[in-house]
Amino acid sequence: GENVEQHPSTLSVQEGDSAVIKCTYSDSASNYFPWYKQELGKRPQLIIDIRSNVGEKKDQRIAVTLNKTAKHFSLHITETQPEDSAVYFCAANGRGSTLGRLYFGRGTQLTVWP
Amino acid sequence: NAGVTQTPKFRVLKTGQSMTLLCAQDMNHEYMYWYRQDPGMGLRLIHYSVGEGTTAKGEVPDGYNVSRLKKQNFLLGLESAAPSQTSVYFCASSYSISGSFSYEQYFGPGTRLTVT
Repeated sequence: GENVEQHPSTLSVQEGDSAVIKCTYSDSASNYFPWYKQELGKRPQLIIDIRSNVGEKKDQRIAVTLNKTAKHFSLHITETQPEDSAVYFCAANGRGSTLGRLYFGRGTQLTVWP
Repeated sequence: NAGVTQTPKFRVLKTGQSMTLLCAQDMNHEYMYWYRQDPGMGLRLIHYSVGEGTTAKGEVPDGYNVSRLKKQNFLLGLESAAPSQTSVYFCASSYSISGSFSYEQYFGPGTRLTVT
């Protein structure tokens, strides 16, 4: 199956700075790459996703970039705010193996200091 | 719409006891999933279902069974609970686009299970 690796595991930034989280994947057939945000004690929620027919997607302060040749994708958060503090998970769909499921990275704990 | 709901929210079991976790969704989604979340391990897939009456194993299926008798419900059973099954369990659902997987998953609020 697909193997998704996520770095760093923890990230601390000052309010207003940018944060970047990177993920790599192994299955070249993967074509869907979502990012989930999980606040403490809450459920994971989809914040942005990208499909392999585009290289970048933006939604206000967050953006995702995809490099299919290198098999990696990244989440970029600009002008960070304390409410961005959460655990972020990347995932890939691994279409080369079992259909219908996502393979998740282990998560990044982002802390934004005021 | 309530979205994806899970019952119970919390549960404490003794080793060897059994229980069933219920996941329900009112979005008419075809696909449903059960994950467990442990510190530093991300979300690991236990079992999933691509349609009513069908189930498949994920990456950590041992010790669990599932059933999907109705499209809107997905049950996760622990026949003989072990301390290693102490975890937070999340259910998720997803839909199809023109008969193909959308892969967009919507999560329930989670069930915190402790096995002593």
